[in-house]
Amino acid sequence: KAGVTQTPRYLIKTRGQQVTLSCSPISGHRSVSWYQQTPGQGLQFLFEYFSETQRNKGNFPGRFSGRQFSNSRSEMNVSTLELGDSALYLCASSTRGTSGGSQETQYFGPGTRLLVL
Amino acid sequence: AQTVTQSQPEMSVQEAETVTLSCTYDTSESDYYLFWYKQPPSRQMILVIRQEAYKQQNATENRFSVNFQKAAKSFSLKISDSQLGDAAMYFCAYRSTPYTGANSKLTFGKGITLSVRP
Repeated sequence: KAGVTQTPRYLIKTRGQQVTLSCSPISGHRSVSWYQQTPGQGLQFLFEYFSETQRNKGNFPGRFSGRQFSNSRSEMNVSTLELGDSALYLCASSTRGTSGGSQETQYFGPGTRLLVL
Repeated sequence: AQTVTQSQPEMSVQEAETVTLSCTYDTSESDYYLFWYKQPPSRQMILVIRQEAYKQQNATENRFSVNFQKAAKSFSLKISDSQLGDAAMYFCAYRSTPYTGANSKLTFGKGITLSVRP
């Protein structure tokens, strides 16, 4: 089974621009979560989507948004980019089951490295 | 809110030796999941091992095992017979259960960089 894929892998933008990142989950997984990783703040949760609805949101400004499509693919958008948005953005997918076990585990993609100049 | 602490920023181990990475966490919940993820230089986050808090038996995956001390809120990872490919950053993570609503996020520690000496 193919793993989580993220595109693009690398991105360079300038301040004020906007960017869209894409994540395709493992086949059969309907939950997609996004995380931001920076050297200073570590790994921080952005939001989670399940069945095309945002189910959980971290403490990020409204410039960070996302959506999920009917095929479970998810996109994340950052508007009005700031230098501090430079980071590795990781996407993770899960089956988000209610009966526990392996369904509770999030599997990560390779990430998109964003550099804001 | 839950917190995860990895107090050792770096560790080193000789190839074929055993190393233990420490992790402590703070929570008022009685049921939860704990994870160790490995992030090699490629930056791909790879699941190493998972522990369910209601299970008293420590999880084991080949050369990787955990020492889960629920009362002490400690979750250490032991790597036996260390290999060069084990060199990476290791993150300890916590997640509430069940997997609904606000419980879906992983809370990570700061990570520990493990180097393996040949």
